[in-house]
Amino acid sequence: DVKVTQSSRYLVKRTGEKVFLECVQDMDHENMFWYRQDPGLGLRLIYFSYDVKMKEKGDIPEGYSVSREKKERFSLILESASTNQTSMYLCASTGQGGTYEQYFGPGTRLTVT
Amino acid sequence: GNSVTQMEGPVTLSEEAFLTINCTYTATGYPSLFWYVQYPGEGLQLLLKATKADDKGSNKGFEATYRKETTSFHLEKGSVQVSDSAVYFCALSSYSGAGSYQLTFGKGTKLSVIP
Repeated sequence: DVKVTQSSRYLVKRTGEKVFLECVQDMDHENMFWYRQDPGLGLRLIYFSYDVKMKEKGDIPEGYSVSREKKERFSLILESASTNQTSMYLCASTGQGGTYEQYFGPGTRLTVT
Repeated sequence: GNSVTQMEGPVTLSEEAFLTINCTYTATGYPSLFWYVQYPGEGLQLLLKATKADDKGSNKGFEATYRKETTSFHLEKGSVQVSDSAVYFCALSSYSGAGSYQLTFGKGTKLSVIP
């Protein structure tokens, strides 16, 4: 069965901390994505990666960076967390081609205090 | 750029009522269209999809038809159940380079079904 896992379901961090969110997929997918989900705003793309060590900015990359050292793992990094980064973070992966569905992880609810 | 507009919620229906959630899109070319569903406390999962004009996607009693002339992909179900309570997202797929496609999502519509 297809699986995308995220390292934490809930996370509480302090302002200024460096935060790592990990995502792992077991489907040998080339493409991986990080979104944030906020009420009334839907899902917004932060970064995506179409291959190992490759990354592309999405719609809201400011304040975030990513790392993809292995095909199955895609990490989202908040260099210095701020309260406006309190959100639900969703990771997804997909194979090549526009008709393929994206498979989502369960999400990490991050609170920055 | 690409965009997806879906009806704002929340939508509250009684069990066995008819459901329609409107979705319209703006895109260049011929995108694939999707409906995703998010149950409480979970990530998104694909509900149905359509890849070309006049295609009808269907799953679990839900249906949506890709209408190129009206740039729409409305979600319908004839008789909703309490277990259908969730947030529904309309999305389109567009090419982002290097063989990769990305999804553009609507803002989501929360559906609550009451017994």
